[in-house]
This record gives sequence, C-alpha cells and structure tokens, in this order.
Amino acid sequence: AQSVSQHNHHVILSEAASLELGCNYSYGGTVNLFWYVQYPGQHLQLLLKYFSGDPLVKGIKGFEAEFIKSKFSFNLRKPSVQWSDTAEYFCAVKEGGSYIPTFGRGTSLIVHP
Amino acid sequence: EAQVTQNPRYLITVTGKKLTVTCSQNMNHEYMSWYRQDPGLGLRQIYYSMNVEVTDKGDVPEGYKVSRKEKRNFPLILESPSPNQTSLYFCASSSASGTSTDTQYFGPGTRLTVL
Repeated sequence: AQSVSQHNHHVILSEAASLELGCNYSYGGTVNLFWYVQYPGQHLQLLLKYFSGDPLVKGIKGFEAEFIKSKFSFNLRKPSVQWSDTAEYFCAVKEGGSYIPTFGRGTSLIVHP
Repeated sequence: EAQVTQNPRYLITVTGKKLTVTCSQNMNHEYMSWYRQDPGLGLRQIYYSMNVEVTDKGDVPEGYKVSRKEKRNFPLILESPSPNQTSLYFCASSSASGTSTDTQYFGPGTRLTVL
C-alpha cells in the first residue's frame, strides 16, 4: 500500500526565514501529488498540485514544490515565510489511475512575527 | 459557489446515542469521502464512495456507516458513538475524471465530542 511520510512534524520559524517541508512517498509508478494547507480552525485548502510536465510547481501565496522522481519526493518550499503562514501542511499522493489519495500525517508550522 | 457543506459543525453527545453528520456537495462530483483528524495522526480515511450506491471502507471504518443514495449527499452515521470517536471530521469530494481536475474539496469540518 502507498505510504506518505512527512518527516517534520513541527517546524518553528521566524518571519522572513526560508521554509522547506519534506514529503516522501513509497509508490514507484505514476503519481499525482498535492500539498494542502489548513489554517487554524479552518478546513483543508489546496496549495498546489503536480500531475505532469514541469516538476517545479508554483502554487498560491508564494509556495512552490519540486517533484524529484528519483527520490520519491515532493518537497514544499517558500523563500520567505510570513506570520500568516502559520498552519498545518499536508502532503497527499494519488497513484495514477486511482481516485483515492493517501495523506501524510501533516506538519505544523508556527511562524513567529 | 462550489462548496462542500457539513452539518452540524459542532456536536456534543453521549455514548450510545445514534447520530448522523450530513455532507453535501454542489459540484456534481462522483467521489466523496470522510476523514477524521486527530492530533499526531493526521487525516485518516473512514469511508469513501466512488458514485451513487458505491461505498467502500477506508483505513478506520470501525464504528461508522455511510450511505450514498444521491450523488450530492454522503452522510456519516455513528450508530453507537463511543468516546474514542471524539474527533474532527471532514467530508471531501472530487471529480473522478482521472485528470488534473481531480482535486479534493473539503468541507468546513465537524467537531464531535462523545462523553
């Protein structure tokens, strides 16, 4: 079965610091990849997704992620975080042809002003 | 506006008292699912449905039931709730086209407390 690992469970940064959140998955075939964000007290919202093409994907609010097939990774990055980026971040992976995503356990990000 | 709605948003109940959490989507999505979110465990899928009258178990189905009589609705039923079902529940839906439009839309969540 597919598994998704988010190695950083809690990340604390100061404003303007750079961010990189790791996501690794186990499936060796075609995958569709997602990052979702959950702001405090809110539901999950899509940040960005990769289905095919350019492995560097740009999302909303200045986030980007890079799909590295050889490393089974889809790390999320942002060059300069803001206090408003404080949230929980979830990586999700779907095997190509499947409709059922597998979610990682999430990374809690706290940004100090 | 495209959305997934859940009701109620907050519910406090007692052990053994049957309850239903409703979920409805207005995007004509085939695929719907229920998750529970617990600290340190992330999102775990309870049940999912590929279309009307087609449902299947997720990772943590024990103690839950679902039904999919209409495409837009996917209620979650707890026949005899127990305290270990205290959690935050999310409903989600997506199309099943197999293309890049298959993004899950999440409902606002239902915080359930079972005493």
